[in-house]
Amino acid sequence: DSGVTQTPKHLITATGQRVTLRCSPRSGDLSVYWYQQSLDQGLQFLIQYYNGEERAKGNILERFSAQQFPDLHSELNLSSLELGDSALYFCASSGQGAGNTIYFGEGSWLTVV
Amino acid sequence: QKEVEQDPGPLSVPEGAIVSLNCTYSNSAFQYFMWYRQYSRKGPELLMYTYSSGNKEDGRFTAQVDKSSKYISLFIRDSQPSDSATYLCAMRDDNYGQNFVFGPGTRLSVLP
Repeated sequence: DSGVTQTPKHLITATGQRVTLRCSPRSGDLSVYWYQQSLDQGLQFLIQYYNGEERAKGNILERFSAQQFPDLHSELNLSSLELGDSALYFCASSGQGAGNTIYFGEGSWLTVV
Repeated sequence: QKEVEQDPGPLSVPEGAIVSLNCTYSNSAFQYFMWYRQYSRKGPELLMYTYSSGNKEDGRFTAQVDKSSKYISLFIRDSQPSDSATYLCAMRDDNYGQNFVFGPGTRLSVLP
């Protein structure tokens, strides 16, 4: 158990809808990262937050947004969903020291039909 | 050129074989190097974590870093069917920006 908690584990929704994925980082970790992994593809970095502020942005679509709350949990909002958005969405967290590494949650598996 | 490159595989080996998984990178600022194992539709799991050049051993796993060649390897000895997974290398630089860069992963199958 990495200590990173993601909900929901699975969800199925229709095209055009909006969903929210939730992540609780490991205790004490200030950084949260979101990744997308389509079937048999590599990890695509979406966005990083550090202590409530956006730190880095990757290949995140304008239809997607994220935030990190004062209690450090984070949410990824996906709107106007398309079939191609079907993927595993991973949250990860890391500490703030120079030698810290990144730990992943088990992912939220989104199917858009 | 991608920042981190990794043989995509798939790689199939018989049980008991020694497996070598490799990554090359272009950014000389990378100082921390990691290997993750990812089972199908599961979250990546940290296997090995090394700093700068050298070797690190943990059970059947050995991580090797050659910064002069910008090349890292993960060796798996006495491979088991349970080692069948995708292996991702990852690296970051030595600052507090926490910019982790992942390779695309190598899919490994260990055949009984």
